[in-house]
Amino acid sequence: EIVLTQSPGTLSLSPGERATLSCRASQSVSNNYLGWYQQKPGQAPRLLIYGASSRATGIPDRFSGSGSGTDFTLTISRLEPEDFAVYYCQQYGSSPEWTFGQGTKVEIK
Amino acid sequence: QVQLVESGGGVVQPGRSLRLSCAASGFTFSSYGMHWVRQAPGKGLEWVAVIWFDGSSKYCADSVKGRFTISRDNSKNTLYLQMNSLRAEDTAVYYCARELRNWHGVFFDYWGQGTLVTVSS
Repeated sequence: EIVLTQSPGTLSLSPGERATLSCRASQSVSNNYLGWYQQKPGQAPRLLIYGASSRATGIPDRFSGSGSGTDFTLTISRLEPEDFAVYYCQQYGSSPEWTFGQGTKVEIK
Repeated sequence: QVQLVESGGGVVQPGRSLRLSCAASGFTFSSYGMHWVRQAPGKGLEWVAVIWFDGSSKYCADSVKGRFTISRDNSKNTLYLQMNSLRAEDTAVYYCARELRNWHGVFFDYWGQGTLVTVSS
């Protein structure tokens, strides 16, 4: 099973700043089958990015994903007030298996 | 619009059973694979189970294998999770999720609001 490790655990930033979140896999993620989700308190997760870099329907272009192999990044170019939340990465393996990272909390500084 | 509504959660004693349901609407349910994903209180997300669009294949996480069974009724647009031999560590919010499957992989593009299962004596 591929283990995903996200860093940092918490990111303290101000609105308007750039956020860079990391997701590292214990082994190479097949075909970059890596996604990112946003979760706000009391809500279900929302898909932001799939296939490492494709934005899901309706996701603003300030969200972008990059990376390949074992190292992936979610970037939020300019934080809006509604972007403060917990972010999870997720990989798909062909066993099939789906695993998530432990999450990164983006909080207001 | 796509809607997924879970039900069936509650408080149950260890070793007992519970069945969760997820009513789907706003899309052609029989065309999509469906999943259960859970989240223990204050913790991260854990994939639980998947069922193919036509019910022909099912897979579960090792943590629930042999205890949980996923099923679906496409005539009723409903997904189920039968949970037997429940343990305290199964306590979580259980989400049903529709899958997005394409050449980029398999992800979860719509989620229900979740139903809380508490396993406690």
